[in-house]
Amino acid sequence: DQQVKQNSPSLSVQEGRISILNCDYTNSMFDYFLWYKKYPAEGPTFLISISSIKDKNEDGRFTVFLNKSAKHLSLHIVPSQPGDSAVYFCAASVVGRNDMRFGAGTRLTVKP
Amino acid sequence: DTAVSQTPKYLVTQMGNDKSIKCEQNLGHDTMYWYKQDSKKFLKIMFSYNNKELIINETVPNRFSPKSPDKAHLNLHINSLELGDSAVYFCASSQAPWTGALGGNQPQHFGDGTRLSIL
Repeated sequence: DQQVKQNSPSLSVQEGRISILNCDYTNSMFDYFLWYKKYPAEGPTFLISISSIKDKNEDGRFTVFLNKSAKHLSLHIVPSQPGDSAVYFCAASVVGRNDMRFGAGTRLTVKP
Repeated sequence: DTAVSQTPKYLVTQMGNDKSIKCEQNLGHDTMYWYKQDSKKFLKIMFSYNNKELIINETVPNRFSPKSPDKAHLNLHINSLELGDSAVYFCASSQAPWTGALGGNQPQHFGDGTRLSIL
């Protein structure tokens, strides 16, 4: 039972353009969401998070948007850089609990 | 300095064997985890320990037994390995989760994974 879904297994964008990665969740109890970035042969690295009391959180080139009514969040990267090429995982949790649920990941390729 | 380190990085063994994966964190975190990334690339939580106490135990065969000698270590022991155990296993750590309604959870820091292959 996948409670967090990333329906696009891959995404390719040109350097300098915007990358938009999408994530949907089914469990309305989730109230804290995170994005992780993963390079090959390494563990996931925390990128950015958002609480359900917000609908947007920004950190440099990375912005996460949350649409609670649609149970949807997205990660925007602008401008995209070749070093952003990695697998991006969306994760969801309930505040006070640390059993995060992960999506299957989206492989982002940024072409020079 | 490696924050979360797990050993070995690769483990190739035969069905029926018993093996252990070690994990250590030097971040001073209270909580440690084991995740399994299967062939479909889903990361699924297996166990979580807070200050050496088991707090999360997902539906995992009892052939898997975590052991936490202190809060900086969480080792994973697997008995009678089966073909379906082949996966990448990730260790992670974090501060204890917040309980405040307006807060958030502490992000988890992951090790680089152990690729377990069962022949």
